[in-house]
Amino acid sequence: RKEVEQDPGPFNVPEGATVAFNCTYSNSASQSFFWYRQDCRKEPKLLMSVYSSGNEDGRFTAQLNRASQYISLLIRDSKLSDSATYLCVVNRRGGTASKLTFGTGTRLQVTL
Amino acid sequence: EPEVTQTPSHQVTQMGQEVILRCVPISNHLYFYWYRQILGQKVEFLVSFYNNEISEKSEIFDDQFSVERPDGSNFTLKIRSTKLEDSAMYFCASRVSGTPLSNYGYTFGSGTRLTVV
Repeated sequence: RKEVEQDPGPFNVPEGATVAFNCTYSNSASQSFFWYRQDCRKEPKLLMSVYSSGNEDGRFTAQLNRASQYISLLIRDSKLSDSATYLCVVNRRGGTASKLTFGTGTRLQVTL
Repeated sequence: EPEVTQTPSHQVTQMGQEVILRCVPISNHLYFYWYRQILGQKVEFLVSFYNNEISEKSEIFDDQFSVERPDGSNFTLKIRSTKLEDSAMYFCASRVSGTPLSNYGYTFGSGTRLTVV
């Protein structure tokens, strides 16, 4: 089983749509969770951290279910500029042992 | 905003040649990493470095790879004898100490695209 699993997409949605991405992780000892955004041939950039209580940043809402080892990202009112690959990322542990494990990413294409 | 700087942005090399990828982490960061991404695949951890030594390395990071922080500012990845399958984007990252939920302040460089021919 992959450590971090995502639907690769692509998700093609019209501007203004709401879209949801899901992710599962296999290591129950994982400590912290993130969504990154990656544009074509660019570096990953942190979109938001994911908290157990759920958290929101503008049009973006992230949820974590530790019991199910499941993470989600909801994007409301999609913009053309949201077109990118969204990476589910898990941080296994902290200190010197911190290491990010990436999913393969879900590609989003927002169209007019 | 502070940046992690990587050079060169693109390197083409012949199979069997040695390459050195260079990174300048953010100045107050303590932990340094190399990740790689083969085209169309996921970002993969290669190695972490702290206090002038390797903290952890993945199974990808075999004897052909080495890392160094030669002068207190640069952080380099050397591939001794490149293979075709080493063609990938290599990302350097650095971070401070911090809390897990803050993502420890991880910052990625813009990457070096390595093409082995």
